[in-house]
Parts: sequence; C-alpha cells; structure tokens
Amino acid sequence: EPEVTQTPSHQVTQMGQEVILRCVPISNHLYFYWYRQILGQKVEFLVSFYNNEISEKSEIFDDQFSVERPDGSNFTLKIRSTKLEDSAMYFCASRVGGGSYNEQFFGPGTRLTVL
Amino acid sequence: SQQGEEDPQALSIQEGENATMNCSYKTSINNLQWYRQNSGRGLVHLILIRSNEREKHSGRLRVTLDTSKKSSSLLITASRAADTASYFCATVGTDSWGKFQFGAGTQVVVTP
Repeated sequence: EPEVTQTPSHQVTQMGQEVILRCVPISNHLYFYWYRQILGQKVEFLVSFYNNEISEKSEIFDDQFSVERPDGSNFTLKIRSTKLEDSAMYFCASRVGGGSYNEQFFGPGTRLTVL
Repeated sequence: SQQGEEDPQALSIQEGENATMNCSYKTSINNLQWYRQNSGRGLVHLILIRSNEREKHSGRLRVTLDTSKKSSSLLITASRAADTASYFCATVGTDSWGKFQFGAGTQVVVTP
C-alpha cells in the first residue's frame, strides 16, 4: 500500500541553524501539506501546496519557513534559522485531489529538537 | 474554543467497555476525519465522514456527524488494551484548500 515517507525520523540541531525536512508524498497525489505538533499539544497546520505553489499558510509559517517540490517527488520544508520553539514533530501529508471527500495521508513525522 | 475540540480530554476504561468521545467545531465543513496517535508516533487515519453523511461504521468504530449541532462522536466498541492512544478529530472547512483543523484530542487508556 502506498504511503507517505519522511526523513529523517529525528533531527537534532543547534539554534540558528538551517534544517530541511524531507517528505515523499504518495505518487499520484496533488495536494501537499505540512503540520507540526509541539509535545503535548495539538497538531497545527503550517502550509498547503498545490500546483507548485503555496495555496494556503498559517500564521506560524513566517519568513523563516519555506517549502518546495524540487524534483516532482520530494516535498521539503526548510526552516532557515531555527529557534528553540521550533522543536516539535513535523508531519507531511498528501491528498489525491480536490473535492471534499478525499482522505489526507500522513507520514510518520520528523521529530525536530532544537538545542 | 477552537475548531475541532474534543471531549473528554482523557478517558480511562476497562477492556471490553465502550469508549465514546465527542468533537465540536465552529465553521462549515466538507468532511470530518478521526485519527489515532500512539504516544510520540504518527497519525493513523481511522474514518472519514462527509458533511452529507450522518453515521459511518468501520469495524469496531462508529462515527456520527450532526452538522446542525456542529458535532461528531467516535465510539469504539469492545475496547482493547491496544486501543490505548490519543484520538483526534480533524475538520476540513468549505473555504480551505483541504487543510485540517485538529482538536486537542482525547487521551484514551484501556486497562486489561
């Protein structure tokens, strides 16, 4: 069964460093998402991506964040200068298409720890 | 309260009992989905209910949706210790690009 994959599973970085979180969505999916979950809190939407551009983003997704789909298979989230409060689990998700009846498939997550 | 709020926040039951948790939301939705998360792990999709549906079943799961009350419930029947997890509802609004609004979740503990 196809699945969303994410790498690495755990990333430790120093405050101020850049990190890139990688995701490989399901191959025929067209809509891509990043979410994050700070430990003990709920999952929060960061950004949605469709047709090679951001379709929607949250207040969390400021200038320090960027996304791209560099090669038609990978979908990356970059944090330019990490802060302590960026420590969280980051989830990638994808969906096959538009319409209201499509399930989002989530990856297993990348745990980011900023020291 | 925010979109997709679950209650109770925590639920402790014995194996074999039923577990019921509720989710309320504020805005119009296209669909509502329930996910399960084991501690520190990923999100596992359980069931999707569309805005024009009132009830769905999947194995031991039963989900209801009442759009007039903007609420949904998830019932797990004959619970097992392996059902111990956090359960989240996630709503997709009618004015979004399919983004989810998650609730804070219900933490369910099933003791043998």
